[in-house]
Amino acid sequence: GAGVSQSPRYKVTKRGQDVALRCDPISGHVSLYWYRQALGQGPEFLTYFNYEAQQDKSGLPNDRFSAERPEGSISTLTIQRTEQRDSAMYRCASSFDTGSRTGELFFGEGSRLTVL
Amino acid sequence: AQSVSQHNHHVILSEAASLELGCNYSYGGTVNLFWYVQYPGQHLQLLLKYFSGDPLVKGIKGFEAEFIKSKFSFNLRKPSVQWSDTAEYFCAVTGRRALTFGSGTRLQVQP
Repeated sequence: GAGVSQSPRYKVTKRGQDVALRCDPISGHVSLYWYRQALGQGPEFLTYFNYEAQQDKSGLPNDRFSAERPEGSISTLTIQRTEQRDSAMYRCASSFDTGSRTGELFFGEGSRLTVL
Repeated sequence: AQSVSQHNHHVILSEAASLELGCNYSYGGTVNLFWYVQYPGQHLQLLLKYFSGDPLVKGIKGFEAEFIKSKFSFNLRKPSVQWSDTAEYFCAVTGRRALTFGSGTRLQVQP
């Protein structure tokens, strides 16, 4: 597509429910990144993929968070048993570069998650 | 570990005033440095970047930034701001890991 597309744009869920956030990167972009941004803070790295391979998941806060990109295109970030502290804007970005050092990322609009 | 510190959280300027936003990073090796901007209601987008070469880099909309290695700094500047520059500005760095962002500076330009 023309840009990075994320869905849903807004998600309100009850504590304990599972949520899945989807990211469709720019066509042809090899790398895909997930970030989380709390109010008043900068984006915080969660994980990234080159093609379908998860290269770095060191930013995932705990084992309730997981991500996949099975065919090297669309990615899903899943949060199990959500907690109120998971409320944040979840941002996806893609890049044509395969290196972890690249900074030329193209961001989507984000998915705002609210856990009640 | 790589990290970024932005000193100003909220800056208010009048149109035509000069702007300088501070950014310091922490990483001992070779770094790539960036400024991203988020205009109200829009997504994050790249403003300018430094990979190597001339430490004074120019970006879009009249912005520039200077990499001073000895000070571990990459401050953003603009000689004369406009109301349309109202946005949140994020400094970012890559060293060994994926892009690490600072906490951001909210710039409000009053007409």
